[in-house]
Amino acid sequence: DQQVKQNSPSLSVQEGRISILNCDYTNSMFDYFLWYKKYPAEGPTFLISISSIKDKNEDGRFTVFLNKSAKHLSLHIVPSQPGDSAVYFCAASAINAGNMLTFGGGTRLMVKP
Amino acid sequence: DAGVTQSPTHLIKTRGQQVTLRCSPISGHKSVSWYQQVLGQGPQFIFQYYEKEERGRGNFPDRFSARQFPNYSSELNVNALLLGDSALYLCASSLLGLQSEQYFGPGTRLTVT
Repeated sequence: DQQVKQNSPSLSVQEGRISILNCDYTNSMFDYFLWYKKYPAEGPTFLISISSIKDKNEDGRFTVFLNKSAKHLSLHIVPSQPGDSAVYFCAASAINAGNMLTFGGGTRLMVKP
Repeated sequence: DAGVTQSPTHLIKTRGQQVTLRCSPISGHKSVSWYQQVLGQGPQFIFQYYEKEERGRGNFPDRFSARQFPNYSSELNVNALLLGDSALYLCASSLLGLQSEQYFGPGTRLTVT
């Protein structure tokens, strides 16, 4: 069973607009969440993380929102740039599972100039 | 500063053979984790090592094994290769063994024929 799901395989956005990537999870033990960006032929690059004690974390153009009651998190990118085009993965971990990350299947973001 | 490095970049093996993949973590990082990414899916956790001890194991058969050396580098070994082992193998390092950002290497692309 997939404990972390990204239901949109792809997303297309115009340059300068907002990109919203969504992620749902089922395991209530997850309490730390991360977003990674991946370009072809490269490993995932860490973007931003959030602990379950927060509902929002912001870093420059990237903001992650966490809704624990809905078991849902989202990544907002504002403004979107063509260089943001990549596959985005959300990942989750539980305090009793060390550094083990459970990943979603990814969303391919395309930002059009 | 060098990031996480992995070798080799690409590898082609035949069914039934054995393979060893290598990873050097970011300087100062003591935890190394291994992930398998099959095409079109998110990375899947295989192992975590911290201070040379296994701290976590994912749902992979005993054909998969790993170890961490005193300099914190790590090896992943896969015996009796199957066609389904063809994947991108990612190594990630983090400062601690607990929940924290993990930084990924570029991966080793393994093809089993």
